[in-house]
Amino acid sequence: QLQLQESGPGLVKPSETLSLTCTVSGGSISNTNYYWGWIRQPPGKGLEWIGSIFYSGSTYYNPSLKSRLTISVDTSNNQFSLKLTSVTAADTAVYYCARHVEAFDSWGQGTLVTVSS
Amino acid sequence: DIVMTQSPDSLAVSLGERATINCKSSQSVLYSSNNKNYLAWYQQKPGQPPKLLIYGASTRESGVPDRFSGSGSGTDFTLTISSLQAEDVALYYCQQYHNTPQTFGQGTKLEIK
Repeated sequence: QLQLQESGPGLVKPSETLSLTCTVSGGSISNTNYYWGWIRQPPGKGLEWIGSIFYSGSTYYNPSLKSRLTISVDTSNNQFSLKLTSVTAADTAVYYCARHVEAFDSWGQGTLVTVSS
Repeated sequence: DIVMTQSPDSLAVSLGERATINCKSSQSVLYSSNNKNYLAWYQQKPGQPPKLLIYGASTRESGVPDRFSGSGSGTDFTLTISSLQAEDVALYYCQQYHNTPQTFGQGTKLEIK
């Protein structure tokens, strides 16, 4: 059974870079049927798609975050990663990684990242 | 961006009764070349990630009880729970994946009356 697990610091200072990794188990990130994405949810609020990546490294990003965002893939370790620069309190959220063909059919449990000094 | 608007924001339904949640997109999410609606529904319980219920507007994800159904096309969609169970108390979100950025509705909170 496919499992996704987010990992990374739970606290990031304003203006610094938020870095998270999603480790995929029970399936290959190199499966040509799927994209791998990041979605976030500020506390008590709705869902925002951040961006997605294909195993080849092809990416597409939410334009609202594009200038600060890098998503990369490491097929040898079955992982993909998120880097978001120049963070502010508005970036405080639960960050989820997920698999999608069209809709997001498999999700990680999420990790809370708080931006605070 | 395509704006997804759900109604109502919250809903209280008696056990065993029907629950209906609506989702309207600011532009069509029907892909004309394959006649598919790029619209999904998710269920989220507290402290859990969203769970995919419906994709393609009306296709139930594997393992989802058949009391959940989706309908609609173009810009207007509906999620129906035919007979509400206690475990259906949750937040429900619609999502379009027709355009980048993919966007979600604001959510509908479903409670027991």
